[in-house]
Amino acid sequence: DAGVTQSPTHLIKTRGQQVTLRCSPKSGHDTVSWYQQALGQGPQFIFQYYEEEERQRGNFPDRFSGHQFPNYSSELNVNALLLGDSALYLCASSLSRRYNTGELFFGEGSRLTVL
Amino acid sequence: GDSVTQMEGPVTLSEEAFLTINCTYTATGYPSLFWYVQYPGEGLQLLLKATKADDKGSNKGFEATYRKETTSFHLEKGSVQVSDSAVYFCVRGGGGSNYKLTFGKGTLLTVNP
Repeated sequence: DAGVTQSPTHLIKTRGQQVTLRCSPKSGHDTVSWYQQALGQGPQFIFQYYEEEERQRGNFPDRFSGHQFPNYSSELNVNALLLGDSALYLCASSLSRRYNTGELFFGEGSRLTVL
Repeated sequence: GDSVTQMEGPVTLSEEAFLTINCTYTATGYPSLFWYVQYPGEGLQLLLKATKADDKGSNKGFEATYRKETTSFHLEKGSVQVSDSAVYFCVRGGGGSNYKLTFGKGTLLTVNP
């Protein structure tokens, strides 16, 4: 059983460009959350998707947007990239009914570098 | 807002030493508390959890007790192994309809043989 898979694993962009990151949740999981982890910091919550809707959003600007597809996979889009967007972007999947148990499964992340 | 403060690292120990990583959290509401671990080259994974005051979470020899009176959730292990070398994150759940997990900054643990 594949866990959470993310693509691409690494990418380099320049300021002002746009990026799309992809996540396939663990089989059977219906909820996807996205986190940003800057170097030396803990992950910060960007948003969560459930039933193809954004259920909750963290303190991130509108340049960050997402989508969840009927098969529960998800995309994170970042527009007008800034140098400060350089980070590891983590996707976590879970079963909605078990979310508050903390049983999230994380992917290994997509490392974005903005030059 | 919600926050978690954990002991800054890095922490370097010899095998079989005792480990404590301190963690405190903001006391708004009644959050669940977790420790997540990130082994080299792997994704974050749940190590242990506690959902209410005085609960003790345990796994793989690690323990942490949810202390409401001191708003703490310190991670302990009596005898660490080289394979425990990893980054450890103390995490606060949102609770209820708040699905956000709030992470501490992480503590890098290196265990030498």
